[in-house]
Amino acid sequence: QKEVEQDPGPLSVPEGAIVSLNCTYSNSAFQYFMWYRQYSRKGPELLMYTYSSGNKEDGRFTAQVDKSSKYISLFIRDSQPSDSATYLCAMSATRGSTLGRLYFGRGTQLTVWP
Amino acid sequence: SQTIHQWPATLVQPVGSPLSLECTVEGTSNPNLYWYRQAAGRGLQLLFYSVGIGQISSEVPQNLSASRPQDRQFILSSKKLLLSDSGFYLCAWSGDRSGRYEQYFGPGTRLTVT
Repeated sequence: QKEVEQDPGPLSVPEGAIVSLNCTYSNSAFQYFMWYRQYSRKGPELLMYTYSSGNKEDGRFTAQVDKSSKYISLFIRDSQPSDSATYLCAMSATRGSTLGRLYFGRGTQLTVWP
Repeated sequence: SQTIHQWPATLVQPVGSPLSLECTVEGTSNPNLYWYRQAAGRGLQLLFYSVGIGQISSEVPQNLSASRPQDRQFILSSKKLLLSDSGFYLCAWSGDRSGRYEQYFGPGTRLTVT
């Protein structure tokens, strides 16, 4: 079983839709959770960063972490064509030999059509 | 602010030729540095990471090597490229001195081995 599972999609939605992107994980040591956005042929850029459980909101983006279910989500409200990209989840532990290393999902490809 | 550079942006090399990819970081000192490879449909694969000058840890590759000759310079090399070395190579840095583990990526180098 991979440490981080992410549905690769592709996901196609109309402009203005609410998008939900999700990842599940198996390692209970993960405490730091990140979402990256990667445009075609570019490096990933950090979008959201959360620690432990709870919600974090930044503009149209909301990140949720449910550690009891080992499940994280990224919601995009009022989606725009410029949100079309691949979204990768990543997570890190705070102890042990995995300290500082990020574990990535494979990414979900999102297309928002006008 | 911090900036990460990678070059070249694209590279086409024949099988058996050598490789040298360079990554430099500006605006921070003593960063952790990482090399990843991203192949289509396979997600991000961690190749090497470094916590300081001359300190390199290898995760996977057999015919690739990495070096860190200066604090903010990270080099990925190969003596003889294989077809399977084709992919998108990403350098990243993190500064997890305060318990934060997010990584910041460079623009990437697209390598095609022919």
